[in-house]
Amino acid sequence: QVQLVQSGAEVKKPGASLKVSCKTSEYTFTDYYMHWVRQAPGQGLEWMGWINPSSGGTNYAQRFQGRVSMTRDTSIGTAYMELSRLSSDDTAVYFCARDTSPRGTAFDIWGQGTLVTVSS
Amino acid sequence: EIVLTQSPGTLSLSPGERATLSCRASQSVSSSYLAWYQQKPGQAPRLLIYRASSRATGVPDRFSGSGSGTDFTLTVSRLEPEDFAVYFCQQYDSSPYTFGQGTKLEIK
Repeated sequence: QVQLVQSGAEVKKPGASLKVSCKTSEYTFTDYYMHWVRQAPGQGLEWMGWINPSSGGTNYAQRFQGRVSMTRDTSIGTAYMELSRLSSDDTAVYFCARDTSPRGTAFDIWGQGTLVTVSS
Repeated sequence: EIVLTQSPGTLSLSPGERATLSCRASQSVSSSYLAWYQQKPGQAPRLLIYRASSRATGVPDRFSGSGSGTDFTLTVSRLEPEDFAVYFCQQYDSSPYTFGQGTKLEIK
């Protein structure tokens, strides 16, 4: 069935960078946008941005501009989210989620989440 | 940025009862680009409703969404034990897409 499988949990030091992968299966990777959403412990959901896997075009939330980069490898149907200059405030579960378009049918399939802990 | 405010914060009900969850936007959400998600502990969110009132694939018909403009509602007609979870609304009309803070639906 349609799946998004994310890379495993990570522990990072403040100031380091993070790269999370999201491997897709059982659908055409370039037909759906990929969004990234994070959730701090016990908190709500925060949208970080999207990538259009077909064109490589991106749209980032302003608060992450300059610190986030979303890329993709169409040959293996995988999306990536890289976040730099990490601080303890970036400790969260990071999710990828697909959508048909920026104003499509919302996020119908989600990855299982990747727990990122930022600690010295 | 569109701010979404959900109410109540916690809703205590019994199985078989009707649940009504509210989501209010700080400005109009055009074309009803409003979604509802259910999240259980340790799991990713699950899409329930998109475009304010369209049920996602596989979602039971006891879940329904309504509303337009700035006021939206998720209704669960008869609560089943598996419905007790946290529910988030989300607008995807304008960037940054934003989520409400969530309503926890707990067993009374």
